[in-house]
Amino acid sequence: EAQLVESGGGLVQPGGSLRLSCAASGFTFSSYAMSWFRQAPGKGLEWVSVIGGSGLPTFYADSVKGRFTISRDNFKNTLYLQMNTLRVEDTAVYYCAKYKQGGTIREGFDYWGQGALVTVSS
Amino acid sequence: DIQMTQSPSSVSASVGDRVTITCRASQGISSYLAWYQQKSGRAPKLLIYAASSLQSGVPSRFSGSGSGTDFTLTISSLQPEDFATYYCQQTDIFPLTFGGGTKVEIK
Repeated sequence: EAQLVESGGGLVQPGGSLRLSCAASGFTFSSYAMSWFRQAPGKGLEWVSVIGGSGLPTFYADSVKGRFTISRDNFKNTLYLQMNTLRVEDTAVYYCAKYKQGGTIREGFDYWGQGALVTVSS
Repeated sequence: DIQMTQSPSSVSASVGDRVTITCRASQGISSYLAWYQQKSGRAPKLLIYAASSLQSGVPSRFSGSGSGTDFTLTISSLQPEDFATYYCQQTDIFPLTFGGGTKVEIK
């Protein structure tokens, strides 16, 4: 069965940087596009970014475009989210998730990590 | 961006009740809609994809319907483990967007 485990969350000051990792196992990682989502405390779910199985294409939410970079290492079966110029409003639990069907978003996301808390505060 | 509007935002129900949650898209999304269940402090869980297809392992008391702009999630007989927050998500185009969530609480 697929498993996703996030790491790298923590406390960072506004304007700072952080890199999240998502270690994948139990499926052929390179065959699946992957995505990041986030959830601010007490709020709903927000899509952040997506990356194709080969590393392209990539898409971003307007709220993070130009500040966040999604990437993957298919040899290490790991997904990344580099977050720069962090803002207080980026405070959230960040989830990585796997497409249910390899290269299309149409069937949703069937496996999610446990989440990594990112707190942006001075 | 496609706006997803869920209603109600919360519902109080008893074990055994039938619960219906609706989701409306601001433009047509064919059948590209997913439903997720999220329990407090946990990751979302996929229940329904393509508007009406039941995810493997999900109990048959959950069902989805609709196409175009109007969609419904129905729990036919609410069980204790179903008390959670439910989200719809359009899976048609980027940016992917969610409804605001429906919290199902114990009456």
